[in-house]
Amino acid sequence: GDSVTQMEGPVTLSEEAFLTINCTYTATGYPSLFWYVQYPGEGLQLLLKATKADDKGSNKGFEATYRKETTSFHLEKGSVQVSDSAVYFCALTYSSASKIIFGSGTRLSIRP
Amino acid sequence: NAGVMQNPRHLVRRRGQEARLRCSPMKGHSHVYWYRQLPEEGLKFMVYLQKENIIDESGMPKERFSAEFPKEGPSILRIQQVVRGDSAAYFCASSPQTGTNSGNTIYFGEGSWLTVV
Repeated sequence: GDSVTQMEGPVTLSEEAFLTINCTYTATGYPSLFWYVQYPGEGLQLLLKATKADDKGSNKGFEATYRKETTSFHLEKGSVQVSDSAVYFCALTYSSASKIIFGSGTRLSIRP
Repeated sequence: NAGVMQNPRHLVRRRGQEARLRCSPMKGHSHVYWYRQLPEEGLKFMVYLQKENIIDESGMPKERFSAEFPKEGPSILRIQQVVRGDSAAYFCASSPQTGTNSGNTIYFGEGSWLTVV
């Protein structure tokens, strides 16, 4: 079945460091891919998405490129801030499907 | 997150009691989804509903859990005879129609945290 595998956390970085959170997926079709962010005590917010191969999603300095050949959707940011500390979830869904399949989440902590 | 309203935000129940979680979707959205997040884990799909219909309940536990989305009023996730293992965050999401490739996005509420003591 379809699944999403994320880099295990926690990930701890210093402010202004470069961030990569790996995400790979297994899918029977051609899904859309997402990154969601969850700040402490809050719900999920959509961070970015890509709907087809080679699309790049970007938002708030974060980027991820839909790589069909490597079945990956790695999240990157060039210079992280303390305010980026949160849990990040990679996810996939299909246009005709009713549910989103989430990865297990990666906790990111940024040191001042 | 804008517009999907969940209540209560925090709920404490003793073992054996019932828990009712409510979700009002965004205005104009007729599709509701419920997800459960166990401590330190990802979100697991539970059920997908449209008004007065359960479309997909493949993620719902077979016993004690039920969900509804009546013609009028919020969607309700009901857990009977709660046990400690039910302690989790329950998230509701809504969308105007199925799927996201068309650009429609599923919006999440802020969650209801259930603690069973």
